[in-house]
Formats: sequence, C-alpha cells, structure tokens
Amino acid sequence: GENVEQHPSTLSVQEGDSAVIKCTYSDSASNYFPWYKQELGKGPQLIIDIRSNVGEKKDQRIAVTLNKTAKHFSLHITETQPEDSAVYFCAASMLTGGGNKLTFGTGTQLKVEL
Amino acid sequence: GAVVSQHPSRVICKSGTSVKIECRSLDFQATTMFWYRQFPKQSLMLMATSNEGSKATYEQGVEKDKFLINHASLTLSTLTVTSAHPEDSSFYICSAGQSHPDTQYFGPGTRLTVL
Repeated sequence: GENVEQHPSTLSVQEGDSAVIKCTYSDSASNYFPWYKQELGKGPQLIIDIRSNVGEKKDQRIAVTLNKTAKHFSLHITETQPEDSAVYFCAASMLTGGGNKLTFGTGTQLKVEL
Repeated sequence: GAVVSQHPSRVICKSGTSVKIECRSLDFQATTMFWYRQFPKQSLMLMATSNEGSKATYEQGVEKDKFLINHASLTLSTLTVTSAHPEDSSFYICSAGQSHPDTQYFGPGTRLTVL
C-alpha cells in the first residue's frame, strides 16, 4: 500500500518568513495530493491540492509543487502569519472517480512567532 | 460550499455503553464517507469507508462488530461505538467525498471519552 513520509515534524518560523513542508510517497500510481490544515480540537481543512497532471499550483500565499519522478511534493507558505500556526498534513491517493482512500503523512506542527 | 457536520462534538460515556456519532454532508451529496480516528499528536488513521446503501469496508485491524457504520443516505453516515472501553477514547473524524471533483471534506470531529 501507499506510504507517505512528511518532514519536518515541527517547524518554527518568524512572522513574514516562508515555510516549506515536504512529503514523499511510495506508490507511483498515486495521482492526487491534498494538503490539510488542522487546528487544535478541529477537523482537517483542505487548503490546497494538486493532481499529477500539473507540477505546481498556487493560491495566494500557498503553493504546492509536485515532482512525480522523485515522488515528492511540497507545501510552500509565504509571508507567514500567526494564524498560519497549526498542524499541516499531506496526503496521497489514487483518484477513482469517487471513494479515493487518503494516506496521510505524520503531520508538521507549524509555529509562526511574532 | 462543501460543509460536513458531525454530532455530537463531544461525548462522555461509561464503559460498556454504546455511542452513536453522526456525519452529515450539508450542501452536497457524498458518494463515499470515511471514518478516521486520531490519537493526540498523531496522524489520522482510516477506520472504514462507506458507500451509500452498501456495507462499509473496514481497514485491517478495525473490528467491524465494534464500530458499526451505517450509510443510509447520500448525506448521512453514522458510526456506533459498541460496548465502549476507555481505550476507545479518541478523536473521531468523518469525511465526505464527492465524485466531481474527487475531493474529501472533513467534519469538525467528535471527542469521545470513555470512563
């Protein structure tokens, strides 16, 4: 089955700096890679996703890159703000037109310091 | 759009009792719903996948007779933890999936504490 590794487990940055979180996956058949943000005591919130037919996607301060050959993908947050502090999870799955099982990474605790 | 709700948000029960958790997709029809559990400072672990009108598919190691899943409609799935024990205490999260686009949206989670 799919295995997703995520690094770093914790990340502390100064407000305004950029943050990068990296994930690798094992199953070359995976073609969908979402990123979720989870605040304490809440469910994960989808923040951005990328499909394997593109290499990069950007949404305001958030971007995701995908390298299919190397089987890794990364989340980039620019101009970080205190409200970006949360746990971020990457995930991978194979789209099947419904019912795609997600395999999650182990999570990154991001802390944005003033 | 794509809002998923869970009820209750928090529940405390005694050992041996059963607890039902509801998951609803509020503004879309979910072809598939998923149930996860999450222990403190850990990742989400998939428990089971359910499709409307059919039996749930459980992940290896998850007892189907203990964690009963019913997916009665395209907007509602329920998870019943039967004969709960303290080790069942956890954060239970559901998600609902759409066919187009093929995306999962998560509920806010249910904190279960078994005394």
